[in-house]
Amino acid sequence: NAGVTQTPKFRVLKTGQSMTLLCAQDMNHEYMYWYRQDPGMGLRLIHYSVGEGTTAKGEVPDGYNVSRLKKQNFLLGLESAAPSQTSVYFCASRLQTGSTEAFFGQGTRLTVV
Amino acid sequence: AQSVTQLDSQVPVFEEAPVELRCNYSSSVSVYLFWYVQYPNQGLQLLLKYLSGSTLVKGINGFEAEFNKSQTSFHLRKPSVHISDTAEYFCAVSDNSGTYKYIFGTGTRLKVLA
Repeated sequence: NAGVTQTPKFRVLKTGQSMTLLCAQDMNHEYMYWYRQDPGMGLRLIHYSVGEGTTAKGEVPDGYNVSRLKKQNFLLGLESAAPSQTSVYFCASRLQTGSTEAFFGQGTRLTVV
Repeated sequence: AQSVTQLDSQVPVFEEAPVELRCNYSSSVSVYLFWYVQYPNQGLQLLLKYLSGSTLVKGINGFEAEFNKSQTSFHLRKPSVHISDTAEYFCAVSDNSGTYKYIFGTGTRLKVLA
């Protein structure tokens, strides 16, 4: 049982380049989340999804887009990367109730130069 | 909107001493509360959660937390820490009103000293 898998694990981008981060979960979870983690700022919610075909903005959505075409996958896109998007990105998923914990991937370390 | 405040960014403590990591939250609706631990270069793991009922909840690795509604707090405690408890700890809140956002605090880095 893989849980939540993020690809890639590391990436270096040049300013202006685009990329997509993939999150895949095999637990049949309805809710999926993308966070970024920066020193001293904790985890900040970028976008989230409460089901296939639906997405919503979190606390820091600017510069990012997401898609949830399949229930098990949640994609995070950077159309034109900026140095301010250098961060560690975490994906999480949880069951369809507010009382359940989230399961996290191992993170993607992105550097934009 | 919900928010979570972890006042202590770093907490140094000697091995076998007790520790308390503080968490305060703000929400206009009732919430569920969680504590997570993150070891270096890893994702987050659940330590414990408060849903309802008894205000004292016990988690893994000897941690416990107490929910205080009047003070809107959910502090994490351990009576005797080990070197292996060195990690970053995050408090999180989830509302039960239907949006199910999952909001985290800024984290507390616990460093256990020998």
